[in-house]
Amino acid sequence: DAEITQSPRHKITETGRQVTLACHQTWNHNNMFWYRQDLGHGLRLIHYSYGVQDTNKGEVSDGYSVSRSNTEDLPLTLESAASSQTSVYFCASSAGYQNEQFFGPGTRLTVL
Amino acid sequence: SQQGEEDPQALSIQEGENATMNCSYKTSINNLQWYRQNSGRGLVHLILIRSNEREKHSGRLRVTLDTSKKSSSLLITASRAADTASYFCATDANSGYALNFGKGTSLLVTP
Repeated sequence: DAEITQSPRHKITETGRQVTLACHQTWNHNNMFWYRQDLGHGLRLIHYSYGVQDTNKGEVSDGYSVSRSNTEDLPLTLESAASSQTSVYFCASSAGYQNEQFFGPGTRLTVL
Repeated sequence: SQQGEEDPQALSIQEGENATMNCSYKTSINNLQWYRQNSGRGLVHLILIRSNEREKHSGRLRVTLDTSKKSSSLLITASRAADTASYFCATDANSGYALNFGKGTSLLVTP
């Protein structure tokens, strides 16, 4: 069955370190998204991609970057982790315009 | 910025009762979606309603959309303990592909 996976599921890192969160989907979806979820804020869009080599900034993109070298993967990189980036991160994918999004299980990131 | 806002923030009911959650949004939309999130899990899509639709059903779920009031409601009939979760409305952002999520309604269904 097609799925979307994230790794690691839990990560503890230190301020200033570079961290990469992986997202892999086997739906063959063109669209992929990264969100962060924090208490009191709901889900906020970080970056998204409509296809290979395409990336776009979302609402809260500062301090994050993504790259799309193939259809299946959209890794999220925190260039220099900050305590404010402690959050739960969700990856999602969708087939096309106005389609439902399929979410991964999330990565809980703690920056000390 | 977040487009949708759910109301109430939290709702507690007993099994068998109906649960109604509301969502208000600010700008025009092409569609509105509802998602469920169980504790510690990712979001799961429940239902999508397009801007030219007023009501949609899926099993025990009923969604209404009033574009003139910029609001939507999600009704879960005959609630079960397994319906305990957070429910989010999401509207299409300007790009059309990404979604703007509200902060969610936390539903607790007690036996």
